[in-house]
Amino acid sequence: TQLLEQSPQFLSIQEGENLTVYCNSSSVFSSLQWYRQEPGEGPVLLVTVVTGGEVKKLKRLTFQFGDARKDSSLHITAAQPGDTGLYLCAVATGANNLFFGTGTRLTVIP
Amino acid sequence: ETGVTQTPRHLVMGMTNKKSLKCEQHLGHNAMYWYKQSAKKPLELMFVYSLEERVENNSVPSRFSPECPNSSHLFLHLHTLQPEDSALYLCASSQRGRTNTQYFGPGTRLTVL
Repeated sequence: TQLLEQSPQFLSIQEGENLTVYCNSSSVFSSLQWYRQEPGEGPVLLVTVVTGGEVKKLKRLTFQFGDARKDSSLHITAAQPGDTGLYLCAVATGANNLFFGTGTRLTVIP
Repeated sequence: ETGVTQTPRHLVMGMTNKKSLKCEQHLGHNAMYWYKQSAKKPLELMFVYSLEERVENNSVPSRFSPECPNSSHLFLHLHTLQPEDSALYLCASSQRGRTNTQYFGPGTRLTVL
């Protein structure tokens, strides 16, 4: 059974601070997705990364796929209260389904 | 109309009750999914329907019974649940075969007393 470990599990920071969260595995993946789930809502796709070493930016969010395609990071610059939520990484399984990581719950304090 | 809707948003039921969760997708997708999200576990895939046929059942207890009458609607019928079944139940849809991206509904928060 593949496992996607996300760290940290919980993170509470002040508005304006920078942060990085991680998604790690011992398996190699063809692609990896990041989702954000806000309180009371379902997860929403933020980005898909497909190439080892790839970096994608979405406003203040920077996503990187590891060179070996086993891990990924999400860096948020100048965090805002609207960034609060559960961040989930996910990978496609052989059955064309998604397998989700353990999640990082981020709270940004105004 | 929003992409994926779920009703009810909140449900409290006793262990002997029978209830159903409803999901509707307005995105023209060909696959629908049920997930369970508990406080201390990763998002768990329960059932997958592709073109209205169940293609996956991840060892889910028989007290959960899915139904997919057409490509836009998905139900989860519940009976004789246990307190440990209390969780957020999320429905999702996707265009299977073209992309892995899944679109989620807001979920039903289920509490079993």
